[in-house]
Amino acid sequence: AQRVTQPEKLLSVFKGAPVELKCNYSYSGSPELFWYVQYSRQRLQLLLRHISRESIKGFTADLNKGETSFHLKKPFAQEEDSAMYYCALSGPDTGRRALTFGSGTRLQVQP
Amino acid sequence: EAGVTQSPTHLIKTRGQQATLRCSPISGHTSVYWYQQALGLGLQFLLWYDEGEERNRGNFPPRFSGRQFPNYSSELNVNALELEDSALYLCASSLLDGTFSYSNQPQHFGDGTRLSIL
Repeated sequence: AQRVTQPEKLLSVFKGAPVELKCNYSYSGSPELFWYVQYSRQRLQLLLRHISRESIKGFTADLNKGETSFHLKKPFAQEEDSAMYYCALSGPDTGRRALTFGSGTRLQVQP
Repeated sequence: EAGVTQSPTHLIKTRGQQATLRCSPISGHTSVYWYQQALGLGLQFLLWYDEGEERNRGNFPPRFSGRQFPNYSSELNVNALELEDSALYLCASSLLDGTFSYSNQPQHFGDGTRLSIL
């Protein structure tokens, strides 16, 4: 069964520090992976997807099939990055469309 | 563009009752997804509808059901409510771009319906 693990419930960093939000997945095939973000009082929204290989708001994520990881990184955290971050996977268990989410990591960026 | 809208915002029921939650997708989106966010369990996939058909369902009992109407809006019905059904129910919509992997369109989420079972 496909599964997504986010080992950290809370990650607290200071402004300007590097950020790495960890995500590991279990799936034997070729998954499609996403990062979704929920800012305070806003809706859950897509941040980035591995297939796009793009940087959004300074965040990047690289799919490492050998380590089955899709960690989210940003070299210099900003206070406005404080939010709840969810790693998600789309695979055959969910019809290759619906998402299996991790439990989420709350990022707190302190001034 | 108007986003995904869900109603009601809050719903209070008692055990054994039935609940109906509603979702209107973004105009032009044909796929609707339902997720449950229960305390301590995270976001779990419930149901996926597209073009009026149920395409996939998560690991939930049959008392969780739904439908999609010709205008692509959707209802989630939960029968014989149990205390553990208390959760935030999120609806999302997307375009359906082909049937292959790596062609997923982003899912756009609503604000959710908070269902409380007394």
